[in-house]
Amino acid sequence: AQKVTQAQTEISVVEKEDVTLDCVYETRDTTYYLFWYKQPPSGELVFLIRRNSFDEQNEISGRYSWNFQKSTSSFNFTITASQVVDSAVYFCALSEAQSNTGKLIFGQGTTLQVKP
Amino acid sequence: GAVVSQHPSRVICKSGTSVKIECRSLDFQATTMFWYRQFPKQSLMLMATSNEGSKATYEQGVEKDKFLINHASLTLSTLTVTSAHPEDSSFYICSASLSGYSYNEQFFGPGTRLTVL
Repeated sequence: AQKVTQAQTEISVVEKEDVTLDCVYETRDTTYYLFWYKQPPSGELVFLIRRNSFDEQNEISGRYSWNFQKSTSSFNFTITASQVVDSAVYFCALSEAQSNTGKLIFGQGTTLQVKP
Repeated sequence: GAVVSQHPSRVICKSGTSVKIECRSLDFQATTMFWYRQFPKQSLMLMATSNEGSKATYEQGVEKDKFLINHASLTLSTLTVTSAHPEDSSFYICSASLSGYSYNEQFFGPGTRLTVL
């Protein structure tokens, strides 16, 4: 069965600290896609990254970086030098190719609070 | 990225009335649209998947007669909450995709906050 677990419900850091948001997934599919979304207080989901199961290269985009480890079924997200504007709920999600429905299975979300 | 709009952004209605929420893909043709519900401090739960021109596929536990979904064109899907009750109060989010395939990214609308009094 497919599942996404974000064990950290809430994280609070002080501005400029680095913070890592954990994401662990379960799937029997060999081809799948992993996503991270940001949901600021306004509610609109902001797409951050998509990674397919065959691409294990880590990615860096500005202050954001992602660590994909198939061996541990994890897709962790790190924000370097956090800023107050990073405060939001962050969701990790999984989409399986075999189901061919495009369905996204979301984790429970991690609320990040960055204090000035 | 592609733009998806939702209307209204916020609606308050009395118990027993029906509410229609529109989801539009503004700059691309969306073969597939998804409807999610999000309760406060919780994750997004998929309610249904709709493909243009065909009946929506509802997730287990979602009442199809209560949440009517119409995907009449490649740019518009509507969700109608019929005979709304206070427990239907929630944040409803739609997303649109070029197709229902998993490799296609979903573009999310800004959401509609429904409050049923």
